[in-house]
Amino acid sequence: DAGITQSPRHKVTETGTPVTLRCHQTENHRYMYWYRQDPGHGLRLIHYSYGVKDTDKGEVSDGYSVSRSKTEDFLLTLESATSSQTSVYFCAMKAEGGHQYFGPGTRLTVT
Amino acid sequence: GNSVTQMEGPVTLSEEAFLTINCTYTATGYPSLFWYVQYPGEGLQLLLKATKADDKGSNKGFEATYRKETTSFHLEKGSVQVSDSAVYFCASISGGYNKLIFGAGTRLAVHP
Repeated sequence: DAGITQSPRHKVTETGTPVTLRCHQTENHRYMYWYRQDPGHGLRLIHYSYGVKDTDKGEVSDGYSVSRSKTEDFLLTLESATSSQTSVYFCAMKAEGGHQYFGPGTRLTVT
Repeated sequence: GNSVTQMEGPVTLSEEAFLTINCTYTATGYPSLFWYVQYPGEGLQLLLKATKADDKGSNKGFEATYRKETTSFHLEKGSVQVSDSAVYFCASISGGYNKLIFGAGTRLAVHP
């Protein structure tokens, strides 16, 4: 298995609180991605990174920020969580051959 | 921009039935195309891919052919098993940095 993990795996938080999700990879891959998965929408790209300190917005970036201070870690932060951010969040990294390896996901519930 | 459309589910089949899940794409050029599978409670796993027109991707009895004439990448399997029950996502490379765009997903349920 590709070495990509996410933490926490489950989290319940209250509206208005900050939340940080962590993605960690052991493959030294340059490109990493954060997606959210919602019924009827498939996966939608939130932010992506193409190197340390190099990040850019995806399709649904409003309300989210990211940081990448080391190759192996890509953090997703919800500055002030809202109920519309209740979702399953997946981290991924680019693999050889152009596809992406996905982490196991984090289920976030905002009450 | 690019887009991917796949048939809505759920798809319910009996074991050993033939499976087709339709996927069409819109794109500038001929991007690489993928099928991913998601088992309950897990992340997505690459099932198969095709990187250019007329390529056929195959894995675990599943096949899909990259057809530029119909802009399609339909997933097929000749005889499904209960263990194939999962959600299937069609995806395309979209823009730079290897970004992916996904279809909405199709849930497959196979009954004995």
